[in-house]
Amino acid sequence: GNSVTQMEGPVTLSEEAFLTINCTYTATGYPSLFWYVQYPGEGLQLLLKATKADDKGSNKGFEATYRKETTSFHLEKGSVQVSDSAVYFCALRRRDDKIIFGKGTRLHILP
Amino acid sequence: EAQVTQNPRYLITVTGKKLTVTCSQNMNHEYMSWYRQDPGLGLRQIYYSMNVEVTDKGDVPEGYKVSRKEKRNFPLILESPSPNQTSLYFCASSIRTSGGTYTGELFFGEGSRLTVL
Repeated sequence: GNSVTQMEGPVTLSEEAFLTINCTYTATGYPSLFWYVQYPGEGLQLLLKATKADDKGSNKGFEATYRKETTSFHLEKGSVQVSDSAVYFCALRRRDDKIIFGKGTRLHILP
Repeated sequence: EAQVTQNPRYLITVTGKKLTVTCSQNMNHEYMSWYRQDPGLGLRQIYYSMNVEVTDKGDVPEGYKVSRKEKRNFPLILESPSPNQTSLYFCASSIRTSGGTYTGELFFGEGSRLTVL
């Protein structure tokens, strides 16, 4: 079936460090892929998306590339800030439009 | 401002006392959905609605009811709450593309933290 697996957290980094949060998926066909972010005390909000293979989504310095060969959509940022501390969810959209979320990865950035 | 509004944001109640969590969106979205978020389990879908008067079960519908009488509102009803329904609840909405599919871009409310004693 369709599923999303992302790295367990929490992930703790120092400010200005390089960030990678791994996400892999299993799905029928080529689903649209998303990263959502949840800041403390808030609802989720869309961070970036990619709708087909080799697409790169980007926003706020974050990037993720849709890799069909490895069924992955890893989130990266070159230099994280304290304000990036949040929970990050990888997700896919199935053919029937249902959104499947990963379990989330909590990110702590230390000043 | 485009938004999804949930109320109440926080609620402590007792087992068996019926409650309703309201959800309203001002973006004219057809699709609306309820999720619950629990530690270690991520987000799980409770119910969803593709349009007015159309609702379907998600992954964890037991103990919940919903209705969609108007496009903007999608209340979540707990007829007889139990402690295992203590959770953080999110309402979300999404727009349909011109091709008829849903974009997958969900707009979330700020959440309703429910405690059932």
